[in-house]
Amino acid sequence: GAVVSQHPSRVICKSGTSVKIECRSLDFQATTMFWYRQFPKQSLMLMATSNEGSKATYEQGVEKDKFLINHASLTLSTLTVTSAHPEDSSFYICSASDLGTENTDTQYFGPGTRLTVL
Amino acid sequence: AQTVTQSQPEMSVQEAETVTLSCTYDTSENNYYLFWYKQPPSRQMILVIRQEAYKQQNATENRFSVNFQKAAKSFSLKISDSQLGDTAMYFCAFIYNAGNMLTFGGGTRLMVKP
Repeated sequence: GAVVSQHPSRVICKSGTSVKIECRSLDFQATTMFWYRQFPKQSLMLMATSNEGSKATYEQGVEKDKFLINHASLTLSTLTVTSAHPEDSSFYICSASDLGTENTDTQYFGPGTRLTVL
Repeated sequence: AQTVTQSQPEMSVQEAETVTLSCTYDTSENNYYLFWYKQPPSRQMILVIRQEAYKQQNATENRFSVNFQKAAKSFSLKISDSQLGDTAMYFCAFIYNAGNMLTFGGGTRLMVKP
């Protein structure tokens, strides 16, 4: 299957700072990528849909000024957590679909980024 | 809106035995796709199996198979010859169109015991 990478895998930052997480599709192009947040022992919660060359679509309750998404190329989307606070500590996961195959409905996930805000 | 329900928060099975994880969903769409994803302790989401709603034949992938009952909106996962490496969270998921969001169930934590 298609490979999606995320960087960094783990980050610890101080309260008030900003953190950028990268999501890359390594062997395919992705016009759409998705960003999820996962709390311990819970399911994935969709935060936003990232569209190449246009503004991201945010889910209800997700602050777009706090979680900045940039999808500048067909292989890279970034999520920036601005002015991070301890309650932003979580596991963030991205996914993408390979539109160059038959199964364009299938999403492949990155390995996730664990964010800890002190 | 679509919803996905996994009624079993936790399950356990002895190594080499068979276990079935339940999933039901609700949608007004006729053509859609269903998935089972596995999330081991590493937390990497891994695609286990995919089912197209317009195909009556149940999908299989080695030891993993599904029982897809479209009328009942049921999509259970059967794991045969369970292995220790199958220990993970399993998520059932639904999508009705490529490029749209996945809707996940709450997950089932499976423990395979030696």
